[in-house]
Amino acid sequence: QVQLQESGPGLVKPSDTLSLTCAVSGASVSRDKWWSWVRQSPGKGLEWIGEICHCGITNYNPSLKSRVTISLDKSKNQFSLRLTSMTAADTATYYCTRDGDRGYSLAFWGQGTLVTVSS
Amino acid sequence: ENVLTQSPGTLSLSPGERATLSCRASQSVNSDYLAWYQQKPGQAPRLLIYGASNRATDIPDRFSGGGSATDFTLTISRLEPEDFAVYYCQLYGSSPPMYTFGRGTKLEIK
Repeated sequence: QVQLQESGPGLVKPSDTLSLTCAVSGASVSRDKWWSWVRQSPGKGLEWIGEICHCGITNYNPSLKSRVTISLDKSKNQFSLRLTSMTAADTATYYCTRDGDRGYSLAFWGQGTLVTVSS
Repeated sequence: ENVLTQSPGTLSLSPGERATLSCRASQSVNSDYLAWYQQKPGQAPRLLIYGASNRATDIPDRFSGGGSATDFTLTISRLEPEDFAVYYCQLYGSSPPMYTFGRGTKLEIK
């Protein structure tokens, strides 16, 4: 069974860069599929941040593209999110996900990690 | 950008009743790219339906999806107590490649 686990700081300061990692078990980030990050502000809906394929190609939400980098670490079987210039509006629960066998949907989700932006 | 509009915002029903949730796209979409999720408080979303009408693994058959072009529905044939949650529809677009979510429908106990 595919399992995803996010890790990273729970608190970042305004203007800082957020770095999160998603550890993957039960699947290989270097074999196939697309790996995404999704966030959810407190009490709000879901916002897709971006994705990376096993091949290294990335797609980003145009609204965040200038601040986002998603990368793979094949040796550790994990992928990462880097989001620069953090503001209070970036306070959210961040989820790592993987698409399903038929693609175009997010079949596997981590439990999520809450990131608060505050000085 | 294709915008997804979900209705109603909140749906109040009783266990045993039938629930019909709507998701409307601002432009016609490929049904293969439309999915539905369930989210309970404090939990990650769970994929229910992919390709507009295909149940994901381990999803009970009381959940069904349908629709085409711009209008899609999620139907729960007979509500169980554990079905009261927030439901999101999702579209994968190709220009640019990205996922878009609706704002959600909260299904609450009447």
